[in-house]
Amino acid sequence: GAVVSQHPSRVICKSGTSVKIECRSLDFQATTMFWYRQFPKQSLMLMATSNEGSKATYEQGVEKDKFLINHASLTLSTLTVTSAHPEDSSFYICSARGGGTDQPQHFGDGTRLSIL
Amino acid sequence: QKEVEQNSGPLSVPEGAIASLNCTYSDRGSQSFFWYRQYSGKSPELIMSIYSNGDKEDGRFTAQLNKASQYVSLLIRDSQPSDSATYLCAVVYNTDKLIFGTGTRLQVFP
Repeated sequence: GAVVSQHPSRVICKSGTSVKIECRSLDFQATTMFWYRQFPKQSLMLMATSNEGSKATYEQGVEKDKFLINHASLTLSTLTVTSAHPEDSSFYICSARGGGTDQPQHFGDGTRLSIL
Repeated sequence: QKEVEQNSGPLSVPEGAIASLNCTYSDRGSQSFFWYRQYSGKSPELIMSIYSNGDKEDGRFTAQLNKASQYVSLLIRDSQPSDSATYLCAVVYNTDKLIFGTGTRLQVFP
């Protein structure tokens, strides 16, 4: 149980392109979803927290107009990196949690984004 | 600032040995603790959750929690080369966020 699907797994695109990443909880309802970014040899950095039907809460330093998050249903959240630039190249990982704050987060397989 | 501290390693152990991974956290109010395993280039995978002081065992894994010392550890018995990965300690703080340590890289050699 607790399977989270994330697509695409890898994106390579030109600078200025917008990229959309989907995160789905397949066998449970995710009341809260999270988006992380991880640079090589570093730990996960939380970008934003998303609750179904509400606006996402962004971490300090994360531009909400650059990283658009939509959590339209209890099983789907999307992250759109708008007008991506080479410095946005990173490993983006979503996670989903089915219950309260004491429940674990389950992670998707991640999306490796490379902006040329 | 909420912190979760781990030794980055690498921790090298021979196959069949016990690997001991340690983690300390800064907020006494924390109630939920998790260990994740992350293989290179992959996303984290949940191994254990622990909420109460003491030991919690699941197969070859044992999580230990000491809230008074703000210390949580993970023991891996009969370590296998396939256990070689980075192990992330994660702590839930009152803000609802999961704060990760930087991870300890474990190497199990045959």
